[in-house]
Amino acid sequence: EDKVVQSPLSLVVHEGDTVTLNCSYEVTNFRSLLWYKQEKKAPTFLFMLTSSGIEKKSGRLSSILDKKELFSILNITATQTGDSAIYLCAGVEGSQGNLIFGKGTKLSVKP
Amino acid sequence: NAGVTQTPKFQVLKTGQSMTLQCAQDMNHEYMSWYRQDPGMGLRLIHYSVGAGITDQGEVPNGYNVSRSTTEDFPLRLLSAAPSQTSVYFCASSLGSPRLHEQYFGPGTRLTVT
Repeated sequence: EDKVVQSPLSLVVHEGDTVTLNCSYEVTNFRSLLWYKQEKKAPTFLFMLTSSGIEKKSGRLSSILDKKELFSILNITATQTGDSAIYLCAGVEGSQGNLIFGKGTKLSVKP
Repeated sequence: NAGVTQTPKFQVLKTGQSMTLQCAQDMNHEYMSWYRQDPGMGLRLIHYSVGAGITDQGEVPNGYNVSRSTTEDFPLRLLSAAPSQTSVYFCASSLGSPRLHEQYFGPGTRLTVT
């Protein structure tokens, strides 16, 4: 059975801290891994990772995929209160491109 | 270009009632899907469609029906609502396989079944 496991499930940090969110996956015919940020509405796309070892960066956020060990990490440096959200990881499976989501990591950044 | 739109935003139903959640996209995306999100859970796939006239079941299809008569629209029907279907429902679309683009999500419908 396909599954995506995220850890930790919740995390509280202070502004300026650096955080690492983890995502492990077992997905049939794995195609890629996606990261989303969800505030009080629909998820918004952050990264799509297809190849191992190639870091994707967007400002203070970065992510990398390890297809041998079947995991990905999302790093956020110099956190701000606006980073408070649920971060979702999803594996893209099979020929239809369906997404298998993890339960998410709830990040709270305190001033 | 409105992206993915969903109606209604909120809905309260009584047990046993039926209703249709509407979803439309104007990006000419082939792939459309419905998810539900419950507290402490990620998104779970209900049904999906890879093109007009083609639908298939996802992880949690029981109690829901879909159809895809046009590329733009992908309504989700609840046949006989149950309290277990209280959830937030998201519709999403993408260009689909083999072009692995990110999925675009609608704003969600918050459904309560009493």
